[in-house]
Amino acid sequence: QSVLTQPPSVSAAPGQKVTISCSGSRSNIENNYVSWYQQLPGTAPKLLIYDNNKRPSGIPDRFSGSKSGTSATLGITGLQTGDEADYYCGTWDRSLSAGVFGGGTKLTVL
Amino acid sequence: EVQLLESGGGLVQPGGSLRLSCAASAFTFSTYAMTWVRQAPGKGLEWVSGISGGGAHTYYSDSVKGRFTISRDNSENTLYLQMSSLRAEDTAIYYCAKDPTGTLEAFDIWGQGTMVTVSS
Repeated sequence: QSVLTQPPSVSAAPGQKVTISCSGSRSNIENNYVSWYQQLPGTAPKLLIYDNNKRPSGIPDRFSGSKSGTSATLGITGLQTGDEADYYCGTWDRSLSAGVFGGGTKLTVL
Repeated sequence: EVQLLESGGGLVQPGGSLRLSCAASAFTFSTYAMTWVRQAPGKGLEWVSGISGGGAHTYYSDSVKGRFTISRDNSENTLYLQMSSLRAEDTAIYYCAKDPTGTLEAFDIWGQGTMVTVSS
């Protein structure tokens, strides 16, 4: 059981938009910054979003992040087949004094 | 190019020990907090441990607390994870990652991972 809750899977057609939710609590999401990662099969995770909504250099603006209360959302527009991957949210948990991740969401681009 | 390279994984028997290393290059290693994250076969990411840039502050997940020790040698630009009392459930790919913000909330550079298998 992950501390952060994500839907196991989402799907959408090429060119469409998809959102992935990440639900937590006051001790993690509400009071800390959220990050998002993309993991392609057989590769290490890649940072997409940090500090809730900031994109590292080189990440296209098709990827966006937002946070409200104890939940965060990753948005991906203009879906491409190359976006098919597992996506994870992460943050710090003040009660646990530890980092936490969501269980991951598998994105399928139909 | 900023890079992290893990080593030290392998096959170990239950109850055994192993030390993982993570060699950093092309950035000022001592400036950044670092973390270990693992991924069991076919499973999601699990945060394992983190350490501040100077090494004074360390943090652990409940699943490894008391068994794993994180440390760093800033003169050698290397991060370590000493693992003891290993269990089958510790079997995973272990990644080291760099924290750009110092808060252990995000990790921008990841190594390629090193596989640890705990089995008799």
